[in-house]
Amino acid sequence: NAGVTQTPKFRVLKTGQSMTLLCAQDMNHEYMYWYRQDPGMGLRLIHYSVGEGTTAKGEVPDGYNVSRLKKQNFLLGLESAAPSQTSVYFCASSYPDPAHEQYFGPGTRLTVT
Amino acid sequence: KQEVTQIPAALSVPEGENLVLNCSFTDSAIYNLQWFRQDPGKGLTSLLLIQSSQREQTSGRLNASLDKSSGRSTLYIAASQPGDSATYLCAVLISNFGNEKLTFGTGTRLTIIP
Repeated sequence: NAGVTQTPKFRVLKTGQSMTLLCAQDMNHEYMYWYRQDPGMGLRLIHYSVGEGTTAKGEVPDGYNVSRLKKQNFLLGLESAAPSQTSVYFCASSYPDPAHEQYFGPGTRLTVT
Repeated sequence: KQEVTQIPAALSVPEGENLVLNCSFTDSAIYNLQWFRQDPGKGLTSLLLIQSSQREQTSGRLNASLDKSSGRSTLYIAASQPGDSATYLCAVLISNFGNEKLTFGTGTRLTIIP
């Protein structure tokens, strides 16, 4: 049981390049989330999904797209990276029940130059 | 808009002392509150989750309390150890059933001095 895994762990992009971050969970969770963490700002929700085939916008969705083609995977895409997207990205998952906590992946550190 | 505040931003205490970390939130209409631990360069580990109907939760040396009416939560750590050094984050869930959103504080960086 690996929990929540994220690929890659580190990445450096040049402005305008694109990339996809992969999140996978093996806990059969319905809900999955993408957050970014920036110094002094806490974690902010980018997009989330309440089940396979669904996605919804969070607090800071601009510049990102997501897809949930399989229940266990949640992809975060950057079509044209900008320096403002330099951040640490965390994926999380949970059961569709607020009585259960969210489980987080180890994070992806992205630098856009 | 819900805002979550954690003060102080950093705290250093000698090993063995009991300590309290604070979390405050502006909108009392929360569904639950969760405390996390984050080690440098790592992800978040859930420590305790308190439902809005509960007053406290305990796990080992950790005790979290919740006072919804005043918009406050505390995390009490007993007999602190160097291994407790980490950043502690609190987060509140403001809705559920398809519109879940955790709002995080910016954390308290705790250092336990041996």
